[in-house]
Amino acid sequence: DAMVIQNPRYQVTQFGKPVTLSCSQTLNHNVMYWYQQKSSQAPKLLFHYYDKDFNNEADTPDNFQSRRPNTSFCFLDIRSPGLGDAAMYLCATGKAGEYEETQYFGPGTRLLVL
Amino acid sequence: AQSVTQLDSQVPVFEEAPVELRCNYSSSVSVYLFWYVQYPNQGLQLLLKYLSGSTLVKGINGFEAEFNKSQTSFHLRKPSVHISDTAEYFCAAKMNSGYSTLTFGKGTMLLVSP
Repeated sequence: DAMVIQNPRYQVTQFGKPVTLSCSQTLNHNVMYWYQQKSSQAPKLLFHYYDKDFNNEADTPDNFQSRRPNTSFCFLDIRSPGLGDAAMYLCATGKAGEYEETQYFGPGTRLLVL
Repeated sequence: AQSVTQLDSQVPVFEEAPVELRCNYSSSVSVYLFWYVQYPNQGLQLLLKYLSGSTLVKGINGFEAEFNKSQTSFHLRKPSVHISDTAEYFCAAKMNSGYSTLTFGKGTMLLVSP
C-alpha cells in the first residue's frame, strides 16, 4: 500500500544534542510537509517542500532545518533541541496541481528531550 | 487567509448516541474543507472532505458532514457512536484556488463512554 512512513516512532534525545527525524513516502507526491504538534493542540506547520523548493513558515525557529534529498525522503533536523521542542512531529505529503491536494499524514515521531 | 474555529474542545457522549462536532470557517475566498481524526499517538487520518457539489459529504467509519455556505459551517455528524470513535477530531480548510497550505482548527476531543 502506498503510504507515508516516519522513523523512528519514538525518539529520545538530550538537551542540546542534534537529532534527525526521517520521513519517506511511496505516494510519489511532490509536496512534503513537517508539522509540530504539542499535547492537546492542533498541528503547527514548520515548513514544506514543493518539489525542491523549500518554504519556511515565518515563525519557525532557526533551530529547525529540513532536507529533501529526493522525491521520496524528507528529513527534519533539530540542531540544539530544548525542552520546549518535545512534541509529536508529523510528516505529510500532497500532490500539488491535483484538484484539491489532500494531505496524507504519517504516524508521527514523538520526541522526548531529557 | 482563512481561519477555522472548532467551538467545542471536548464532547462527551454515551455509546450509541448521536454526535455533532462543530466547525466554522472564515475566508475571503472559497475553500476546500476537511475533517481529520487522530487516535492517541497516531498521525492524522482523513475522514472526509468537501470540494464542491453536494453539500452532504459521507466519509469513513459512518461519519458525514454538511457544508453550509451561508453559515460558513462544516459540522461533522455520526448517528450512533462507538467506544472506538474516542479520538481527537480536526477540521481544516485550504483555499480552492492557487497553491495554499492547510489551516487547522484547535481540535475537538470526542469522549465516548459506555
